[in-house]
Amino acid sequence: GAVVSQHPSWVICKSGTSVKIECRSLDFQATTMFWYRQFPKQSLMLMATSNEGSKATYEQGVEKDKFLINHASLTLSTLTVTSAHPEDSSFYICSASGGPIAASYEQYFGPGTRLTVT
Amino acid sequence: GQNIDQPTEMTATEGAIVQINCTYQTSGFNGLFWYQQHAGEAPTFLSYNVLDGLEEKGRFSSFLSRSKGYSYLLLKELQMKDSASYLCAVFSPVNYGGSQGNLIFGKGTKLSVKP
Repeated sequence: GAVVSQHPSWVICKSGTSVKIECRSLDFQATTMFWYRQFPKQSLMLMATSNEGSKATYEQGVEKDKFLINHASLTLSTLTVTSAHPEDSSFYICSASGGPIAASYEQYFGPGTRLTVT
Repeated sequence: GQNIDQPTEMTATEGAIVQINCTYQTSGFNGLFWYQQHAGEAPTFLSYNVLDGLEEKGRFSSFLSRSKGYSYLLLKELQMKDSASYLCAVFSPVNYGGSQGNLIFGKGTKLSVKP
């Protein structure tokens, strides 16, 4: 149990276009979803936290108008990178909590999406 | 501020034991996680400590001392497949409109296991 999927697993897009990444909890209801970004040889950096049905809370330095997050249901959150630029190329990982071991605050991670902007 | 420190890289031999240390200074603490991350993949959960002491799970053990802001991950009987990055993460109980908080990650320790 507690499986999180992401789609797509990798995407290449041209500079100036927008890309949408989906994060789904497959066998549990995710009350909270987190979006992380990881550059090569760096740690995971939290971008934003979202609760179902409410606006996402963004970390300092993350542009909310550029990284649009929607958490429309308890099993789906989307991250849209608008007007992507080469510096947005990164590994984007989502995680979800509210699963079967919620008391331990455990987060279940998706497999990640590799974004390359040319 | 929030700060989590762990060594950048470590090397060990197959069959040996290795200890990866993590020190933290965070504004809140509701537990410490260790994750394993292979290159190009998402992290996978290894252990969770919220009370002081040692948690053992097969070949992996994790220790926590809250008073010292210190944890370590112990890997026994190392295998080649254990070559990966190991991430220490502290759960900070910031209330985000109902969320219980978020994880603050260290930069990870890249472990290389050699034959």
